[in-house]
Amino acid sequence: GQQVMQIPQYQHVQEGEDFTTYCNSSTTLSNIQWYKQRPGGHPVFLIQLVKSGEVKKQKRLTFQFGEAKKNSSLHITATQTTDVGTYFCAAGNQFYFGTGTSLTVIP
Amino acid sequence: SAVISQKPSRDICQRGTSLTIQCQVDSQVTMMFWYRQQPGQSLTLIATANQGSEATYESGFVIDKFPISRPNLTFSTLTVSNMSPEDSSIYLCSARTGVGGEQYFGPGTRLTVT
Repeated sequence: GQQVMQIPQYQHVQEGEDFTTYCNSSTTLSNIQWYKQRPGGHPVFLIQLVKSGEVKKQKRLTFQFGEAKKNSSLHITATQTTDVGTYFCAAGNQFYFGTGTSLTVIP
Repeated sequence: SAVISQKPSRDICQRGTSLTIQCQVDSQVTMMFWYRQQPGQSLTLIATANQGSEATYESGFVIDKFPISRPNLTFSTLTVSNMSPEDSSIYLCSARTGVGGEQYFGPGTRLTVT
């Protein structure tokens, strides 16, 4: 399967701080999707990026697809305790999942 | 969107036995997948369930160990055969409406093999 790496693996932030997770591939991706998995839950679709350089926003979340379509990022502005969970990127036609970034928000 | 249900939600099984997990989607979907997730780990794709034909397995997974059926566009089963403790994991069914479409996940089946 396609290798998709995410960094960091873990991130602890104070509530109100920003958070960014990065997804990197050695090959060009046709598209990339982002998912959030709450503790004890299943992955929930957040967004799909298709175009080179694409930027999409969902309230405090900003998603970006790199110009070369080999990397992507998810940025959360002013984190809240409800943002706690693991964020995964997924790529390829079978959507191979990245290693994930576990976010902890300290109140 | 699609709502996916899985049965059972959890089970404790003895080594050497088999368990069949059922996945039901509330609408017709193009693609269905089976994933495995160890606690605290990412999702590993087991196979793509193809309607009316043999599933497509990822490297490291074989049909004898994980037979999959998909008799129609809304239902699939995954069997974990001849289980060992290493098979203890969460098994997730997912579905997609198109090649590049949004992917939905079932709640998962938590399997413990003793």
